[in-house]
Amino acid sequence: DQQVKQNSPSLSVQEGRISILNCDYTNSMFDYFLWYKKYPAEGPTFLISISSIKDKNEDGRFTVFLNKSAKHLSLHIVPSQPGDSAVYFCAASLNTDKLIFGTGTRLQVFP
Amino acid sequence: EAGVTQSPTHLIKTRGQQATLRCSPISGHTSVYWYQQALGLGLQFLLWYDEGEERNRGNFPPRFSGRQFPNYSSELNVNALELEDSALYLCASRGITPTGVTDTQYFGPGTRLTVL
Repeated sequence: DQQVKQNSPSLSVQEGRISILNCDYTNSMFDYFLWYKKYPAEGPTFLISISSIKDKNEDGRFTVFLNKSAKHLSLHIVPSQPGDSAVYFCAASLNTDKLIFGTGTRLQVFP
Repeated sequence: EAGVTQSPTHLIKTRGQQATLRCSPISGHTSVYWYQQALGLGLQFLLWYDEGEERNRGNFPPRFSGRQFPNYSSELNVNALELEDSALYLCASRGITPTGVTDTQYFGPGTRLTVL
């Protein structure tokens, strides 16, 4: 049972444009959501998080939106840069317990 | 501030052997989590230690075990290695920031375990 889903395995965006990565979850009890960026054979790098009591959180070029009624969150990167090319994972947790990860979306930003 | 460190970077073992992986959390963090990322698969939760105690474990057989030491570093032990244990093993830590306890887990670079 995949509780956190990223339905787009890949996304290609032109440099300077907006990248939108999507994530859906099934457990309405999740209280914390995170986005990580990952390169092959490396550990995930934390990007941004959001508590379930909020619907938006911004940090520089990164903004995460949470729609609890739709059980959906998204990561917006604007403007996209070639260095943003990586695999992006969304993750969810409940009461600081384990993170449940989505399957990842590979983002490619081209010039 | 130093991040999460893991050792060794790479580990090669043969079937039936035991592997020991080590993790040092960010200074001040008391919780350590272990995850497995097998080839082509996502990140799967293995174990969670906090204040020296095992708090939760994922859907893995008992030959995956670990412990947390008084300095909050942690070991992951995998006994009777099988070929499908080949994976990237990631450690994450979570703890208290100047503004309070955080729910964010910060990851180390991982240990690549290859079982031949």
